[in-house]
Amino acid sequence: DVKVTQSSRYLVKRTGEKVFLECVQDMDHENMFWYRQDPGLGLRLIYFSYDVKMKEKGDIPEGYSVSREKKERFSLILESASTNQTSMYLCASSPGGKAKNIQYFGAGTRLSVL
Amino acid sequence: GNSVTQMEGPVTLSEEAFLTINCTYTATGYPSLFWYVQYPGEGLQLLLKATKADDKGSNKGFEATYRKETTSFHLEKGSVQVSDSAVYFCAVWEKTGRRALTFGSGTRLQVQP
Repeated sequence: DVKVTQSSRYLVKRTGEKVFLECVQDMDHENMFWYRQDPGLGLRLIYFSYDVKMKEKGDIPEGYSVSREKKERFSLILESASTNQTSMYLCASSPGGKAKNIQYFGAGTRLSVL
Repeated sequence: GNSVTQMEGPVTLSEEAFLTINCTYTATGYPSLFWYVQYPGEGLQLLLKATKADDKGSNKGFEATYRKETTSFHLEKGSVQVSDSAVYFCAVWEKTGRRALTFGSGTRLQVQP
């Protein structure tokens, strides 16, 4: 089974802190994604990556950056956390080729910014 | 760009009732369509998919038919169980352009015994 592991289930940070959310997948997938999930808004794409060191902005990239130095790991960075970034963050990965539209999700990180 | 509209929840049903969750989409061309499910405390997992018009996706008793004429992909189940209580997300994948899914806002289903 594909496993997508997010390093923390819950995080509490203070306004202005630099925050790192880590995601690791174990199936050699080319593509990785970061979403945030908010009530009534569903999942909104923050950034995605289709190869090592490659990244593309999603729908709501402001206030976030990402890093993909190794194929299995995709990090989401909040340079200076703000209270409006309190949310559930979901990481996903997908293979290349014909199955690239099947995404596998981690369990999520619930971030609270105080 | 793409967009997905789902019926608002929560949807509350008794066990063995019939379920329909509506989903409509806007996209150019011929997208692929998906339903994902999120059980409490877990990430999303693929429930079913359809890749072309009139295809029917099915899994675990759930079904959805790709209706291009109405741009819809409604999720149905004939007899729900308490274990089906979850949040259901409809999603669209455009075959050209951005290589990412666009999700609807999700519909929470609560099934009572």
